[in-house]
Amino acid sequence: SAVISQKPSRDICQRGTSLTIQCQVDSQVTMMFWYRQQPGQSLTLIATANQGSEATYESGFVIDKFPISRPNLTFSTLTVSNMSPEDSSIYLCSALRGGSTDTQYFGPGTRLTVL
Amino acid sequence: GNSVTQMEGPVTLSEEAFLTINCTYTATGYPSLFWYVQYPGEGLQLLLKATKADDKGSNKGFEATYRKETTSFHLEKGSVQVSDSAVYFCALTYNRNSGNTPLVFGKGTRLSVIA
Repeated sequence: SAVISQKPSRDICQRGTSLTIQCQVDSQVTMMFWYRQQPGQSLTLIATANQGSEATYESGFVIDKFPISRPNLTFSTLTVSNMSPEDSSIYLCSALRGGSTDTQYFGPGTRLTVL
Repeated sequence: GNSVTQMEGPVTLSEEAFLTINCTYTATGYPSLFWYVQYPGEGLQLLLKATKADDKGSNKGFEATYRKETTSFHLEKGSVQVSDSAVYFCALTYNRNSGNTPLVFGKGTRLSVIA
C-alpha cells in the first residue's frame, strides 16, 4: 500500500480567496488523482495529475478554477481558486502504482469551508 | 457509460446482525470492483476488491463476490459490530484510452450499528 498525507487537514477560508492543498506520497507512483466530496455526497473526480505535464480535467472542472501541479512522482498540489461557499467540500488525493495493481489509495482529505 | 448504483441508506442494524449492501454496476469491458469505507471524520480506506469474474474479495469479516452475470458486487458481513458504523462506497475502475484509470463511485451507504 501507499501512505499518503495531505496538508492542511482542514481550513476555513473567505470568499474570493484561494487555497492550495498539498499531497505527498511515501513512494513513487505512476498516477495521482484529485477528487471532491461535497457534503453528504459521493466522490467526484476533478482531474488526473500528470507528472511533468498539464493535468487532465474531467467534464465540469477547469484549470483556471482548480490548477494542479505535479513536479515529481511523489507530490502534487491542488489549488481551489476564487473560492465561493459552493466550494465547501472535502478534497482528497489518491495515488495509483503501475504494474499489476489497479488499487487507488487515498489521503485523509482536506475539509474546506468557505464563508 | 460507466456507473455504480448502490442501495440507499441509511442502514441501521443491531450488533451481530447480518449485513448486505447491494451494489450493481454498468461498464464496458471488464472493470475492477472495490468497496471503500469512510469512518466518521476520516478519509477513504480500501476495504476489499475483486479484479475478475467470480473473484471474492474479503477483509475484516466483509466479503463481496464479483458477479458478471448479474453485474453485481454486493457487500456482506455475517455479524456487524458498532465499530463498523461508517459510510461504504462501491466503486469501479476502468481503463481509458488515455491510459489512466479513474474510479467511479456509487453514492455511498451509511451504516449505523447500535449496541
